[in-house]
Amino acid sequence: EDQVTQSPEALRLQEGESSSLNCSYTVSGLRGLFWYRQDPGKGPEFLFTLYSAGEEKEKERLKATLTKKESFLHITAPKPEDSATYLCAVLQAGAQKLVFGQGTRLTINP
Amino acid sequence: GAVVSQHPSRVICKSGTSVKIECRSLDFQATTMFWYRQFPKKSLMLMATSNEGSKATYEQGVEKDKFLINHASLTLSTLTVTSAHPEDSSFYICSARGGITGELFFGEGSRLTVL
Repeated sequence: EDQVTQSPEALRLQEGESSSLNCSYTVSGLRGLFWYRQDPGKGPEFLFTLYSAGEEKEKERLKATLTKKESFLHITAPKPEDSATYLCAVLQAGAQKLVFGQGTRLTINP
Repeated sequence: GAVVSQHPSRVICKSGTSVKIECRSLDFQATTMFWYRQFPKKSLMLMATSNEGSKATYEQGVEKDKFLINHASLTLSTLTVTSAHPEDSSFYICSARGGITGELFFGEGSRLTVL
C-alpha cells in the first residue's frame, strides 16, 4: 500500500532561519511527487511536481528535491508570509488518485 | 497554473436539508475531478473520484446516497450533501487534473455548517 509520511508535524522558525521539510514515501512505480501549500480555510495551492530521483525545482525561497524514497522542501531565509501547511502527495503510475501525507504546519515568526 | 473555482465558499443550512457545491475548471477541460473532505488540522481525505459522463467512484466508508456526485460536463462537477446533519459539517474541497502531467489543481474549498 502506498504511504506518505511527512515530518515534522509542526515547525516554528524565526524569520530568516532556513530549514527543510521531509516527505518519505513508499510507492511502487512513482509517476510524480507533488508539493502543495495550504493556508487556513483555503484549498491547497500547487507548488511543484517532481518525477524522478535527482530532480530539483525552485520557486522563490522554496526548493524541492527528490530521491528514490524521500523528498525535501527546503525553505531559505523564510518570511512570515511563508507560514502555511505544506502537503506532499504521490501519484502511482497507472493510478488516478493522489496519496497525501499529513502535512507540516510551518510557522515563521517575525 | 490552472484555475479551479468552487462555489459557495461558505454555506450554513438546517439539519435535514440538502446542499449543492459546484466545482468548475475555468481554463481547461477536466475528465476527472476529485472531492475531498478535510477535518480541522488534518490532511485531505478523498471521498470520491468523479469521471465525466459516468458514475463516481466512492472511497470505502463514504455513503454514496448521502454524498451525490454528478460530473455532467468537462468543466463542472457537483457534490450534493443530502439530508445534511451536524456531523456532515466540514471543509469540502474539489480538485481537477490539468493536462497530461498529472498535477491536481484545487478549488478554494467550501465550508459547510449544518445547524
